[in-house]
This record gives sequence, structure tokens and C-alpha cells, in this order.
Amino acid sequence: AQKVTQAQTEISVVEKEDVTLDCVYETRDTTYYLFWYKQPPSGELVFLIRRNSFDEQNEISGRYSWNFQKSTSSFNFTITASQVVDSAVYFCALGLFKAAGNKLTFGGGTRVLVKP
Amino acid sequence: NAGVTQTPKFQVLKTGQSMTLQCAQDMNHEYMSWYRQDPGMGLRLIHYSVGAGITDQGEVPNGYNVSRSTTEDFPLRLLSAAPSQTSVYFCASRQSAYGSLSYEQYFGPGTRLTVT
Repeated sequence: AQKVTQAQTEISVVEKEDVTLDCVYETRDTTYYLFWYKQPPSGELVFLIRRNSFDEQNEISGRYSWNFQKSTSSFNFTITASQVVDSAVYFCALGLFKAAGNKLTFGGGTRVLVKP
Repeated sequence: NAGVTQTPKFQVLKTGQSMTLQCAQDMNHEYMSWYRQDPGMGLRLIHYSVGAGITDQGEVPNGYNVSRSTTEDFPLRLLSAAPSQTSVYFCASRQSAYGSLSYEQYFGPGTRLTVT
């Protein structure tokens, strides 16, 4: 069975500090996708990034960066120079290819609070 | 395109009542799914559908029924509401049910359900 663990339930930082969110996943499948979603206080889920299991290249998008390491089954997310608008709950998710239809398994989420 | 729409946005039920949460998408997506979000547990898959007439159970299906008579609609029925079903419910859709997970999954705005 697959599992996603986000050990940090809540992180509080002061604006302009960097914050790293940890994500550890478990799966026996060799082909899978990893995702990060943001849920701002308004409640909607916003897609941030998708990475497939064959691509371990790190990615940077503006102030966001992702570190994918298959050796440690981790897909960590860093927000550089955090801003108050980054305050949200962030979810890591694992997607598997299944004959019965692809499904996503989510971690428990990490709440990030950025104080001015 | 309206994307994924859900109604109602808020609902209060008494124990034992039944109701249907509505979900519709106008993107001609094959795959639709229902998740529930509870504090600290992330999103958990309730039921999903890989096409009209085809549904299957997810991680937490007990107490819920679904049907998919059209591509566009995927209602979730609570047969006899219980306080344990107090949660935020998200409907999601994706273009492809099988094969690549590179298609983005679109989430609806959510329905906040309270069972007293």
C-alpha cells in the first residue's frame, strides 16, 4: 500500500525567512508521480507541481523549489523569502498508475504561517 | 469553462438524514473522484469513476454511494448521515483515467458538511 507522510503539522516563520516542507512517500511501484498542492485560507486546492519518478532533477519556479530524492523517497518543497501570501496548508501527494484507474494518495498536510 | 462545480457550499444535517452532494464538470473529463478532508489526515479518496457507468471504491467508501450516469455529473450520496461524516468534501476530475498521470487534476471548491 502507498503512503505519504508530512511529519511537520505546522510551521511558523517570519516574512522573508525560508521554509522547507518535508514529504516522505512509500510505494512498491517503480512508476509514479509526486505532487504538491496549496490550500489557502479560502479553501480551494491549487496545483503547484508534478514530478514523475524517472525525473530526479530539482526544479525551481520563482520562490518555490523542489528537491526529489528517490534514494530517500523524499520530495521536499522550499519557499524562499516567504511572504504573508504563502500562508496556507500544503499537501504532498503520490499518484500511481493502476489498471483500475489512477489515484492520488495525500499526506496529512503542513500548515505554514508566515508572520509579517 | 466553469471547471468543477460543487453544490451546496455548506450544509448542516441531523444524524440519520440523507442528502446528495452534487459535482459537475464541463471539461469532458473521463476521471472523477470524491475526497474528504479531515484535520491532520489530508484528503482521503471516497469513491472514483473512470467513465460513465463505471465507479469504484476508494479508501473510505463506507456510508457513501455514487453513480455516474453521465460524463459530466458525479453525485455523492450520504444514505444516513453520522457525525463522523462531518468533513469538507472535494470533487475532482482529470482528463484521463488511465495511462499517464501527467494530466492535471482539477478540484472543485469544496462542500463543508456538518452532521449534528
